[in-house]
Amino acid sequence: SQQGEEDPQALSIQEGENATMNCSYKTSINNLQWYRQNSGRGLVHLILIRSNEREKHSGRLRVTLDTSKKSSSLLITASRAADTASYFCATEQGSYKLIFGSGTRLLVRP
Amino acid sequence: GAVVSQHPSWVICKSGTSVKIECRSLDFQATTMFWYRQFPKQSLMLMATSNEGSKATYEQGVEKDKFLINHASLTLSTLTVTSAHPEDSSFYICSAALPGNTEAFFGQGTRLTVV
Repeated sequence: SQQGEEDPQALSIQEGENATMNCSYKTSINNLQWYRQNSGRGLVHLILIRSNEREKHSGRLRVTLDTSKKSSSLLITASRAADTASYFCATEQGSYKLIFGSGTRLLVRP
Repeated sequence: GAVVSQHPSWVICKSGTSVKIECRSLDFQATTMFWYRQFPKQSLMLMATSNEGSKATYEQGVEKDKFLINHASLTLSTLTVTSAHPEDSSFYICSAALPGNTEAFFGQGTRLTVV
């Protein structure tokens, strides 16, 4: 399978709580990226972390990368109802080719 | 950021017909574009890499005679689903790489329904 795994598959939280999603991958990478997809729509790039980085922040997003474990996590702090979407990690393995994880469906309840 | 436009956003076709989906980079030249397929509540599966001026590179298990890819210019790649069947119904998304930028830019996606 070309895909990595993400967990949880689905996550339901209350507005204001933090949401953490995890991603594992299989091969060596140049970088790992997180994307968001609203239902039936295209993808929006959230954040990129390079293979030599361990942590990165962007607004309410915090991403970690552990290349020894081939895993990454995305933390969304102080969640909002508008954060409801599917979130995918994607590994870039050269030549801009992205391989996506299985995704986490996040529901933020108002 | 760079804009990628995909057309149509949705299409319904009869079994046995062919459908063409266009992916355009509006404000940059893309030597490489990618085509993905996504089933409901599932992830994106890379189908093929579209290279301007050369043949596409297909992922394992993707029928190149079924999914014809043409990348005739630096701003346009097309995916043609030939002799479509109901099992081809899916969400198809393209992306384009902006040289020197590791971020990929995605089209809005095309929902194909084959009846």
